[in-house]
Amino acid sequence: DQQVKQNSPSLSVQEGRISILNCDYTNSMFDYFLWYKKYPAEGPTFLISISSIKDKNEDGRFTVFLNKSAKHLSLHIVPSQPGDSAVYFCAARDSGAGSYQLTFGKGTKLSVIP
Amino acid sequence: EPEVTQTPSHQVTQMGQEVILRCVPISNHLYFYWYRQILGQKVEFLVSFYNNEISEKSEIFDDQFSVERPDGSNFTLKIRSTKLEDSAMYFCASSLGGLGPSTQYFGPGTRLTVL
Repeated sequence: DQQVKQNSPSLSVQEGRISILNCDYTNSMFDYFLWYKKYPAEGPTFLISISSIKDKNEDGRFTVFLNKSAKHLSLHIVPSQPGDSAVYFCAARDSGAGSYQLTFGKGTKLSVIP
Repeated sequence: EPEVTQTPSHQVTQMGQEVILRCVPISNHLYFYWYRQILGQKVEFLVSFYNNEISEKSEIFDDQFSVERPDGSNFTLKIRSTKLEDSAMYFCASSLGGLGPSTQYFGPGTRLTVL
């Protein structure tokens, strides 16, 4: 049961352009969402998060948008840099259920071309 | 910047052997977690730990698994009798808070290979 889906396994973007990574979820009880970046042979690195009471959160080059009615969130990276090349994971949590666990998507591999 | 550390980075073991994976969470964090990622699959939650007891566990975390905080800094995952299907990357994570919007920070992982 894929509660968190990242339907694009890979994405290629030119350096300086915008990268848009998408994530869909099916569990309407999810109320906290996070994006992680992962390089090979390393653990997931936290990037940015958003609570379900918001629809946008921005941190430097990274912006996350949440559309609760569509059960969709996206991560925008502007401008994209070669160092952004990594696998990006969307994760979600139902904190209201007293649950600690993060449910992850399968990830999207971003390649930023110089 | 404080970070979660894990040892060893790679562990090779024979099927049926016991393994202990070690983690040092971020020092002021109170909640600790183990996740795993089988090659080509999603990162999956195993267990969360708070105040010296398990607060939540997944179906994966059966009687073969146990966790412990043996001292003030280490957090361990023990697999009593490893199976081939236990081969995976195991990630430790920690967070300052538990419920609510609390961010979990991950370690670099231990690659477990069961032969």
